[in-house]
Amino acid sequence: EAGVAQSPRYKIIEKRQSVAFWCNPISGHATLYWYQQILGQGPKLLIQFQNNGVVDDSQLPKDRFSAERLKGVDSTLKIQPAKLEDSAVYLCASSLTGGGLTEAFFGQGTRLTVV
Amino acid sequence: SQQGEEDPQALSIQEGENATMNCSYKTSINNLQWYRQNSGRGLVHLILIRSNEREKHSGRLRVTLDTSKKSSSLLITASRAADTASYFCATVAGPSGSARQLTFGSGTQLTVLP
Repeated sequence: EAGVAQSPRYKIIEKRQSVAFWCNPISGHATLYWYQQILGQGPKLLIQFQNNGVVDDSQLPKDRFSAERLKGVDSTLKIQPAKLEDSAVYLCASSLTGGGLTEAFFGQGTRLTVV
Repeated sequence: SQQGEEDPQALSIQEGENATMNCSYKTSINNLQWYRQNSGRGLVHLILIRSNEREKHSGRLRVTLDTSKKSSSLLITASRAADTASYFCATVAGPSGSARQLTFGSGTQLTVLP
């Protein structure tokens, strides 16, 4: 079974530039998560989709971050404009069902460095 | 916000010893999950324990849950150098259904010395 695919693996941008991350979840998984993990900390939930609808985006900085999940499958996370404090690993995860009732499968993440 | 807090933040043991990590949380949960993260990699699910369960085993892993104390522990027996990683507890809580969040703690960095 193919896992969660993310791209790119690494990205370096200057502050105030924009960047986009892509995620392809495991086929058939209804729930998709985006997490931000700053070095030395645990993952912080940014947004959670159930199929193509947003379930929770309470911790997404909506003035600069946006995310969409087209046709309930692939998802993109965009930052515009980026700030130095956005430097982190962005993790995408998917699970078969919603509500955290089944395990989440994580991609390898995209490491973003903002200079 | 982070629901779970792991203790200790870092743990260093010799190969063959047992490792115990603890997780405390603040609100009522539906279930609690443990994940492992090797350096520079994504997280891997280890075990899920539901709120009506008290103990669960998977290979060398033993997880306990005490909902009255809002705490959980992860025991790794007969540790190996390959167990070196960060371990996170994650709680599932929220109103109902698909709106429940999977919230991670700050993690325990385990180092197993050969």
